[in-house]
Amino acid sequence: GAGVSQTPSNKVTEKGKYVELRCDPISGHTALYWYRQSLGQGPEFLIYFQGTGAADDSGLPNDRFFAVRPEGSVSTLKIQRTERGDSAVYLCASSPTSGPINEQFFGPGTRLTVL
Amino acid sequence: AQSVAQPEDQVNVAEGNPLTVKCTYSVSGNPYLFWYVQYPNRGLQFLLKYITGDNLVKGSYGFEAEFNKSQTSFHLKKPSALVSDSALYFCAVRVGKAAGNKLTFGGGTRVLVKP
Repeated sequence: GAGVSQTPSNKVTEKGKYVELRCDPISGHTALYWYRQSLGQGPEFLIYFQGTGAADDSGLPNDRFFAVRPEGSVSTLKIQRTERGDSAVYLCASSPTSGPINEQFFGPGTRLTVL
Repeated sequence: AQSVAQPEDQVNVAEGNPLTVKCTYSVSGNPYLFWYVQYPNRGLQFLLKYITGDNLVKGSYGFEAEFNKSQTSFHLKKPSALVSDSALYFCAVRVGKAAGNKLTFGGGTRVLVKP
C-alpha cells in the first residue's frame, strides 16, 4: 500500500517568508509525528498528533512554528517569518496508534532551504 | 531526559565481513529501542525493535540487535555485510507515555561496505 507522502519534496524560500509543508500519513494511522533533521544529525522531534489534537508539541522551537491536523489525517506544518536556521529536512511519520511499541513509518521528507 | 549515543560517525567494512554499529542509551524507565536505516534521498526505514523478552532481536535484511541492559547498549549487527548495506543508520529510543511517545534519535552512523 501507499506509504507516507510529503509535499513538496523541495522548497526554497527567502528569509522572512511563510511556508507550509504537507504530510499525508498512511491511511488509518491515528498517530502522526513531525521531526526535523539538520545536516549531519539525527532527526529531532517537533510535534505529535493523536487524531486531530496535538498531544505533544514540546519540540517546536518557537512560536513561528505551528502544525495542524484538522480532520485527523493530513497534517500541515506551518513556519512563519522563516530564518536561515530553519533550513533542514522536515520528516513526517505515522503509526497505527500512539503506543510506544509501534514503529513509526517515515515519509521521504521535505528539504527546506531558506536563503 | 532520554538520550542516545552512536559513538562512531562512520564504520568501514569489507563485503562479506561482520558489521557492527554501536548504540548506547540513557533513560529513566524501561526503554523501547529501534534501529532505522536511511538511504540517500529516501525516508527512514524501520529495521527492528526491542520491546521486551528475548534480548536478541532479528529484523529486516538479515540485521539483528542485542539488548544489553547492564551496559545500556543496543548494538546493530549483521554477520555478512553487503555493498548494498552502505547507508546511514540511526538508533532511537522511546520511554512510553512519559516521553510523549516521541522517538529520540542518535546522531547516526554512516556505514560504508567496500567490495
